[in-house]
Amino acid sequence: AQKITQTQPGMFVQEKEAVTLDCTYDTSDQSYGLFWYKQPSSGEMIFLIYQGSYDEQNATEGRYSLNFQKARKSANLVISASQLGDSAMYFCAMREGNTGKLIFGQGTTLQVKP
Amino acid sequence: EAQVTQNPRYLITVTGKKLTVTCSQNMNHEYMSWYRQDPGLGLRQIYYSMNVEVTDKGDVPEGYKVSRKEKRNFPLILESPSPNQTSLYFCASSKQGSLDTQYFGPGTRLTVL
Repeated sequence: AQKITQTQPGMFVQEKEAVTLDCTYDTSDQSYGLFWYKQPSSGEMIFLIYQGSYDEQNATEGRYSLNFQKARKSANLVISASQLGDSAMYFCAMREGNTGKLIFGQGTTLQVKP
Repeated sequence: EAQVTQNPRYLITVTGKKLTVTCSQNMNHEYMSWYRQDPGLGLRQIYYSMNVEVTDKGDVPEGYKVSRKEKRNFPLILESPSPNQTSLYFCASSKQGSLDTQYFGPGTRLTVL
């Protein structure tokens, strides 16, 4: 069965520093998609970045980058130059090919300190 | 603006009173889905729809109904709500049901007393 594991329940980072949020996954599919979402305290689920299993380059979107290591089955999110507005819960997710369902990890709460 | 909208955003109701949470997207997406988010249980899929008139159960469909009569709308119906359906509900959509990015609505906080 497909599974996403986020081992860091909570993290702190100083403003303007970089932070890495860990995500490992388990799947027997050859083709899959990995996603990161941000959920601020207001509750909405905001899409951040996507990595396809066949993508050769790591995905980047502004201050977000995804450190994709296929052999290790990890898809860590790197946030550069943290801002106070980055304080939120972050979810790693994998898309199931047959049903389109997103399988989510338990999330990591990130707090950015001024 | 491309978006997924949900209504209502907040709802407090009583056990057994039928309710509908609407979901609409303006991106011409084929795939739509409902999730619920609960502390300690994460996000779980309730129902999904690959296209108009095509719906299927997710992981936790009991107590819910859906319909997909038009491409843009995917309402979630609770025929007889119970307190264990108190949750944060998200509607999401994507171009297709394969590996495309799913975009989420703002969420509906439902409390059933």
